[in-house]
Amino acid sequence: GIQVEQSPPDLILQEGANSTLRCNFSDSVNNLQWFHQNPWGQLINLFYIPSGTKQNGRLSATTVATERYSLLYISSSQTTDSGVYFCAKSFNDYKLSFGAGTTVTVRA
Amino acid sequence: KAGVTQTPRYLIKTRGQQVTLSCSPISGHRSVSWYQQTPGQGLQFLFEYFSETQRNKGNFPGRFSGRQFSNSRSEMNVSTLELGDSALYLCASSLEGAGAAFFGQGTRLTVV
Repeated sequence: GIQVEQSPPDLILQEGANSTLRCNFSDSVNNLQWFHQNPWGQLINLFYIPSGTKQNGRLSATTVATERYSLLYISSSQTTDSGVYFCAKSFNDYKLSFGAGTTVTVRA
Repeated sequence: KAGVTQTPRYLIKTRGQQVTLSCSPISGHRSVSWYQQTPGQGLQFLFEYFSETQRNKGNFPGRFSGRQFSNSRSEMNVSTLELGDSALYLCASSLEGAGAAFFGQGTRLTVV
């Protein structure tokens, strides 16, 4: 079955708005990461967060491994936040399983 | 500190040919993984190498192979190219495979 499910699939925001992206996973994790894919295709590592909460500027993330979900928060969104956000997980196998991504469009 | 470097950035090949892609990891990183991204299948794991040993392999045909050298640089090879092999191929490096992964800019392969 699907190991990583992301929601929503698409998100349209007005500049300055806040948003939450969700990642549900089907089994245990000891590696959970969030990435942003830029227009040129490169995956930029946002957070390595197998558990707990981290913040980096306007972005923050929380993973509750026991309940099998992770959240990515974007505050005061900017047009440069546009792109596809991926959640990926692994468990003791050196292989990241990716979700289908959330496409975020921030309008000026 | 230099990031992950993938070469070439773009490739156009003909069906039936073979192709070799290269990935140089971040200095000090010993794990290199490869992923294929297509619009239909999303991001799929190809294989992972650590200290020149393949530790995990994804569900791809034997036409897809890889290797890692003693300096941790990695190559992947696709033989007898098919149209469906057209994709963005991404390489990631990490310290030992279980931590944060950092990706290169990818190689965009088009098979005609």
